[in-house]
Amino acid sequence: EMQLVESGGGLVQAGGSLRLSCAASGFPFYNYWMHWVRQDPGKGLVWVSRINPDGSKTNYADSVKGRFTISRDNAKNTLYLQMNSLRAEDTAVYYCTRDINEGFDPWGQGTLVTVSS
Amino acid sequence: QSALTQPASVSGSPGQSLTISCTGTSSDVGSYNLVSWYQHHPGKAPKLMIYEGNKRPSGVSNRFSGSKSGNTASLTISGLQAEDEADYYCCSYAGSNTFYVFGTGTKVTVL
Repeated sequence: EMQLVESGGGLVQAGGSLRLSCAASGFPFYNYWMHWVRQDPGKGLVWVSRINPDGSKTNYADSVKGRFTISRDNAKNTLYLQMNSLRAEDTAVYYCTRDINEGFDPWGQGTLVTVSS
Repeated sequence: QSALTQPASVSGSPGQSLTISCTGTSSDVGSYNLVSWYQHHPGKAPKLMIYEGNKRPSGVSNRFSGSKSGNTASLTISGLQAEDEADYYCCSYAGSNTFYVFGTGTKVTVL
């Protein structure tokens, strides 16, 4: 069974940093583009970032460019999101997900990041 | 890049059909056959229901179907069931500057 499990969320002060992790299992992680998507409290889904299978190409939403860094360790089947200079508006549930022909499947259960100002 | 526009809520009775619209622009929905749809029960992981506009992943009921006309994509749920009550989001690839844009989300209520 394919599974994605996020961890690393928590409460952090504005200006602080957090690193999210996403452990993948049940599929050949090294073959797939991977993404982070977030959901602001009471709002909709927002795409955050993506990384290609070997980690050599990354893309970011304008709202996080220069502050967030996506990476992966294919030997550990793990996706990461390093979040620096956090702002109150980064408060959200962060999901990792796999790219399937520009669709996203499966998704993890998400990890909550709360940035206090 | 603005979110794709969806109705905030739609409702229907068991057995009926309903359609959720997803309106974008010529830079996203209108330019690519890369619209996907997600079912999201709050507190759970979102689930892919449709990708590439009209393709169903393995295991997704054929009661769910997708289509597109111009800058608007649609998700139709036929034979509405109680377990279909959830939030639904569309998403479109939007090119190499914006990459992906999600819809505003639609709450489906089964009466």
